[in-house]
Amino acid sequence: GESVGLHLPTLSVQEGDNSIINCAYSNSASDYFIWYKQESGKGPQFIIDIRSNMDKRQGQRVTVLLNKTVKHLSLQIAATQPGDSAVYFCAENRSGGSNYKLTFGKGTLLTVNP
Amino acid sequence: DTAVSQTPKYLVTQMGNDKSIKCEQNLGHDTMYWYKQDSKKFLKIMFSYNNKELIINETVPNRFSPKSPDKAHLNLHINSLELGDSAVYFCASSPEHNGGYTFGSGTRLTVV
Repeated sequence: GESVGLHLPTLSVQEGDNSIINCAYSNSASDYFIWYKQESGKGPQFIIDIRSNMDKRQGQRVTVLLNKTVKHLSLQIAATQPGDSAVYFCAENRSGGSNYKLTFGKGTLLTVNP
Repeated sequence: DTAVSQTPKYLVTQMGNDKSIKCEQNLGHDTMYWYKQDSKKFLKIMFSYNNKELIINETVPNRFSPKSPDKAHLNLHINSLELGDSAVYFCASSPEHNGGYTFGSGTRLTVV
């Protein structure tokens, strides 16, 4: 399967369960964070973002939590569905200047079992 | 309409050849990027262009030369391809003052 040899962190959940994907970021100056979803054969797709002046943000079935003290970010997916199976990346950025450079984390492979 | 489109989707070529990957965005964004994704799915920025000007070059070998004829296009030319260049290359774009990137669907480059 696709996961062979990838050595990505993996999370396997049952359909209908809640999923929590964690991410540690490195740059304490980062003030903008994004979660991306990448399905097989596709490019990363924006899910939800959060700025450093917030510690929680909710979207449709997804919640992002930010803990700046320990430089930790998490993505919670409610009622996980088979279509949520993908690799999830957190990305960090530092605002200021005329351009942005997103730095991506290593990714977590989420597998949803029907 | 595809927001960020890149061609070709697959590219198989021999070592030593020169190849190009094209990218176009119809979102009106000012900034475009090239990212490389390796076999372990790690995404690393290569280049960033803002309004046709090079902003970021992340210590990419000189064999890689991006070209931006206008702010809607950012092409990537690779000279003297090596086995280690095999990867998936993603083009992306963003509004200048917003960090949310829109990615293309990727070009899988295989050097044999």
